[in-house]
Amino acid sequence: QQQVKQSPQSLIVQKGGISIINCAYENTAFDYFPWYQQFPGKGPALLIAIRPDVSEKKEGRFTISFNKSAKQFSLHIMDSQPGDSATYFCAAGGTGTASKLTFGTGTRLQVTL
Amino acid sequence: NAGVTQTPKFQVLKTGQSMTLQCAQDMNHEYMSWYRQDPGMGLRLIHYSVGAGITDQGEVPNGYNVSRSTTEDFPLRLLSAAPSQTSVYFCASSYLTGGNSPLHFGNGTRLTVT
Repeated sequence: QQQVKQSPQSLIVQKGGISIINCAYENTAFDYFPWYQQFPGKGPALLIAIRPDVSEKKEGRFTISFNKSAKQFSLHIMDSQPGDSATYFCAAGGTGTASKLTFGTGTRLQVTL
Repeated sequence: NAGVTQTPKFQVLKTGQSMTLQCAQDMNHEYMSWYRQDPGMGLRLIHYSVGAGITDQGEVPNGYNVSRSTTEDFPLRLLSAAPSQTSVYFCASSYLTGGNSPLHFGNGTRLTVT
């Protein structure tokens, strides 16, 4: 049972463009939505996270948009750079029945020159 | 700070062999966990621990054992390796429960079972 669905599986964006990755969740007990970035040969690292009391969170070129009613959230990477080429995972978690972080299947982003 | 340290980085096993993947963290985190990463499957939780002496199963626990005798260490044991356990294994820790605070990952162990 996949509780967090992520799309697309892969994405190619030109340098300077906007990268958009989408995720949808099912468990309404989730109240913590992080994004992780993973470079080849490394473990995932937290990039940015949002809680449902806000609809958007921005950190530099990275923005999370959150739609509670649709149970969807997305990562936008503005002015994408070749150094952003990595695999991105969305995740969802919280407390109680949602106390274990559930990950999406990942999006492999390639930013071309 | 070293963060989360995993050893070995690579391992090849024959079917039926056993081994232990080591994980240590120096951040005094109470929560530790093991994930496996497979293409197209994302990261799936194997086992986790909310403190020394306490462990519990995650999404895919079959074929794996864990123990938590100290806050720092959380080894993962493969009892009788199978080709289906070929994967990249990540250990992760966090200050609070794993579902509600940042996870700090090690750099993984790439395991091949032939």
